[in-house]
Amino acid sequence: ETGVTQSPTHLIKTRGQQVTLRCSSQSGHNTVSWYQQALGQGPQFIFQYYREEENGRGNFPPRFSGLQFPNYSSELNVNALELDDSALYLCASSSMGRANSGANVLTFGAGSRLTVL
Amino acid sequence: DQQVKQNSPSLSVQEGRISILNCDYTNSMFDYFLWYKKYPAEGPTFLISISSIKDKNEDGRFTVFLNKSAKHLSLHIVPSQPGDSAVYFCAANPEKLTFGTGTRLTIIP
Repeated sequence: ETGVTQSPTHLIKTRGQQVTLRCSSQSGHNTVSWYQQALGQGPQFIFQYYREEENGRGNFPPRFSGLQFPNYSSELNVNALELDDSALYLCASSSMGRANSGANVLTFGAGSRLTVL
Repeated sequence: DQQVKQNSPSLSVQEGRISILNCDYTNSMFDYFLWYKKYPAEGPTFLISISSIKDKNEDGRFTVFLNKSAKHLSLHIVPSQPGDSAVYFCAANPEKLTFGTGTRLTIIP
C-alpha cells in the first residue's frame, strides 16, 4: 500500500510568481485535502476535492486553486505569490466522500515547503 | 478565530512517566476529535480519535478523555517512551479537520 506522496519537497519562489504543487493520494482513497501549515501553527484547511470537484473550502483567497484528476491525484496552484504564502503545504487523502461525518482520518504526505522571497 | 486551542507549546516528561496533553475547543458542533503526531520532515500521522458521544477511548498506551461540558479533551500516554517525542496536534470534525497549534512533547531518557 503506497502512502501519500508530494512533490516537490522544497521550492523557492519570488513574490508575484505562480506555483504548482502535486500530490498522489494513497491507493484506495478518493478524496484529497490540502492544508497550509505556517511556522509555529497547526495545519489550516485550504480545500478538499472529491470526484474531481471542490468539496469544501477554508478561508483562503481565490488565487489558491486546485484540481483533482481521474486517478485521484491532485494539484494545488497558487497565483500572485505573497511573502505570507511561505509555509509547509500538506496534502492528505481519505476514503470519505460527501458524507463528511465521523472520524475523518486523513493520511498525510510529508509536505512541500514553499519559501517566497 | 482559533476554535481548537492547545495552550502548552511544549512539554517535557521523564521516560516511563505519564504524558498529558491538553486541548480546548469552542465549537459545540464538533462531533469527532482526533490526535495526530508529527515527526520532523514527515506528515502528521493519526494516533487516536474519540466521538462526542463517548468520554474515553483507549488504544494501548494512549487514552483520550473528552469532557463535553468543559469543551476539553486530553491525551494520556503511559508509560512515555523516547519514541513518543514529537509534535502532537489535536483536531476536530465535522466537514473539515480544524487543528490546534500543537504541543511539542520531549521524553527525557
